[in-house]
Amino acid sequence: AQSVTQPDIHITVSEGASLELRCNYSYGATPYLFWYVQSPGQGLQLLLKYFSGDTLVQGIKGFEAEFKRSQSSFNLRKPSVHWSDAAEYFCAVGVGYQKVTFGTGTKLQVIP
Amino acid sequence: GAVVSQHPSWVICKSGTSVKIECRSLDFQATTMFWYRQFPKQSLMLMATSNEGSKATYEQGVEKDKFLINHASLTLSTLTVTSAHPEDSSFYICSARDKTGPTRSAIYEKLFFGSGTQLSVL
Repeated sequence: AQSVTQPDIHITVSEGASLELRCNYSYGATPYLFWYVQSPGQGLQLLLKYFSGDTLVQGIKGFEAEFKRSQSSFNLRKPSVHWSDAAEYFCAVGVGYQKVTFGTGTKLQVIP
Repeated sequence: GAVVSQHPSWVICKSGTSVKIECRSLDFQATTMFWYRQFPKQSLMLMATSNEGSKATYEQGVEKDKFLINHASLTLSTLTVTSAHPEDSSFYICSARDKTGPTRSAIYEKLFFGSGTQLSVL
């Protein structure tokens, strides 16, 4: 069965520092991979997705993620974090048609 | 972008009562909606898939009689937690899929989430 692992429950970074959130997946077929962000009181917003092609994908708000098949990873990165990036981030894999399996989430705290 | 409105944002109820949560697609028609629940420090787990005008499909282990899902129109799905108990306390979130083309990527690109409902059963 498919699964998504986000090993970091909580991460704290200084504003302006770089960020990398880890994600590993387990899925037998070609994965459809996503990163979502959830700010307090808001729904999940799609940051970026990987379906095929270039393994480095660009998303909104300056985020990018790299798909590494050999490592079954899809880590999210941002070169310079802003205070408004504080939120919870979910990695997810698309299963079959339209079902999504989520990781447990990583809560990002940004300190001045 | 497309908006999915979920109401209420939070609800507190007494044990044994029923609670209804609404999920509305505001600017698109949602042929399919999904209901998830999330326990603290755990993943969002898919509970059921509802298709407009037909019965919901429940994931294994989800009690159909406890979590009633109705998707009577293309813009509204409801989840009713019947005879709620403290163990039903959780964060519930819906998602809605816009009518889309046949490709798999298009399906995922038009999947939008509500803001969630925190249910606390006393």
